[in-house]
Amino acid sequence: EDQVTQSPEALRLQEGESSSLNCSYTVSGLRGLFWYRQDPGKGPEFLFTLYSAGEEKEKERLKATLTKKESFLHITAPKPEDSATYLCAVHAGGSSNTGKLIFGQGTTLQVKP
Amino acid sequence: DSGVTQTPKHLITATGQRVTLRCSPRSGDLSVYWYQQSLDQGLQFLIQYYNGEERAKGNILERFSAQQFPDLHSELNLSSLELGDSALYFCASSPGPQSSGYGYTFGSGTRLTVV
Repeated sequence: EDQVTQSPEALRLQEGESSSLNCSYTVSGLRGLFWYRQDPGKGPEFLFTLYSAGEEKEKERLKATLTKKESFLHITAPKPEDSATYLCAVHAGGSSNTGKLIFGQGTTLQVKP
Repeated sequence: DSGVTQTPKHLITATGQRVTLRCSPRSGDLSVYWYQQSLDQGLQFLIQYYNGEERAKGNILERFSAQQFPDLHSELNLSSLELGDSALYFCASSPGPQSSGYGYTFGSGTRLTVV
């Protein structure tokens, strides 16, 4: 069964304290791995797509990396405005002719000034 | 504004009732997806429509049904509501039958509370 697990569930950082969020996946053929940011009461907002092991994408203080079994979202020198829930999702080979994504439970990040 | 419009934003109803959630996709997008987000389950895929046809079905209860109309807007119907149906319901859209390179665009959701 295709599965996505994120850790930790919650993370509290001081402003400027860098850290990483983990997304482990078990899928029948990865077609794409997505990172989203979700603010309270709002819909998820797209951050990155990764397709193959070794790929990296960056945006401001965020960098996403991908291996054959997991993805990391690295946050460098975070600011309070980076506080949000970060969701990881996969597009599995078994759903290749559809747009179905399987989401992890998310990591809720709080950055204190 | 993501371009995906969901109405209503909030809905409070009693157990046993029936409600309809509405979604207008981003201009030009042909696929509409429905997801349910509850505290203990995370985002769960319910169903996808592409250009009026059902494309994929997830863990959608028999009490729930959806359709996509010729103008591409979609409705999710929830009937015989139970307390456990209380959740955020998100609609998302994408141009084609698969999630594109950016996944898809989500609406801001409908918060359903069943009392």
